Amino acid sequence: DTAVSQTPKYLVTQMGNDKSIKCEQNLGHDTMYWYKQDSKKFLKIMFSYNNKELIINETVPNRFSPKSPDKAHLNLHINSLELGDSAVYFCASSQDLGADYEQYFGPGTRLTVT
Amino acid sequence: DQQVKQNSPSLSVQEGRISILNCDYTNSMFDYFLWYKKYPAEGPTFLISISSIKDKNEDGRFTVFLNKSAKHLSLHIVPSQPGDSAVYFCAASSHAGKSTFGDGTTLTVKP
Repeated sequence: DTAVSQTPKYLVTQMGNDKSIKCEQNLGHDTMYWYKQDSKKFLKIMFSYNNKELIINETVPNRFSPKSPDKAHLNLHINSLELGDSAVYFCASSQDLGADYEQYFGPGTRLTVT
Repeated sequence: DQQVKQNSPSLSVQEGRISILNCDYTNSMFDYFLWYKKYPAEGPTFLISISSIKDKNEDGRFTVFLNKSAKHLSLHIVPSQPGDSAVYFCAASSHAGKSTFGDGTTLTVKP
C-alpha cells in the first residue's frame, strides 16, 4: 500500500508545453513538499504546504505553480517548459511542519524536456 | 551557498566492516539532522535522526554522531551489508521545517 504516490513516473515533453505532476499521500500527514533533484544530484526544496496553505516557496520561477486541493494532495503544474526543467521531481510528506518530523518521499517523476 | 556538504561523493567498503559517512554544515540555526537512504529509481527513505541537544543516536547497526562545535555529523554503519549499498543524504532542519539536503554519498558494500 503506497504511502506517497506520484504520477506519472516518467514524462517526456517538448519545450513550451504545459504539464502537471500529481502527488497523493495516504498517511494522514498535514505537510507536503515538492523537491527537485537536478543532474548534480542535489535535492532542493521548491515548495511546502501545511494544511493546504503555502509555507515555503523557494526561489522557483513562477512558471511552477503548486496546488493543494486537500491535505492529501499536492500537484505541481509547470507552464512553458524549458530545457533546464529536466530533472527528477520528488513529492514528500511529513506528519507536521517542524524540524523533527521525518519526510516520506514518493518514487519521483523523471521529467525530460526536449 | 551550500549549507550542507557531503564531501565524499562515493565510498566503498567490504562487507562486515564499518562504513562512515560524513556531513558538514554551516548554518548554526540548524537544530535537527536526518539521514536518508536512496536506492535507484526510488525516493529517499528516512534512516535515522539526531537532535542538536544530543551528540549520539543509535538504532541497530546505524549510529549518528553530532559534533556541534565542528558543525559536523557522521553516520556509522556496523557491520556493513551489501543491501546497504545506496546513496545516503544528510539533511539539516530548522524549526521552520525546511530541510536542506547535502548532495549525497554513494556507498558500495562489496561482498
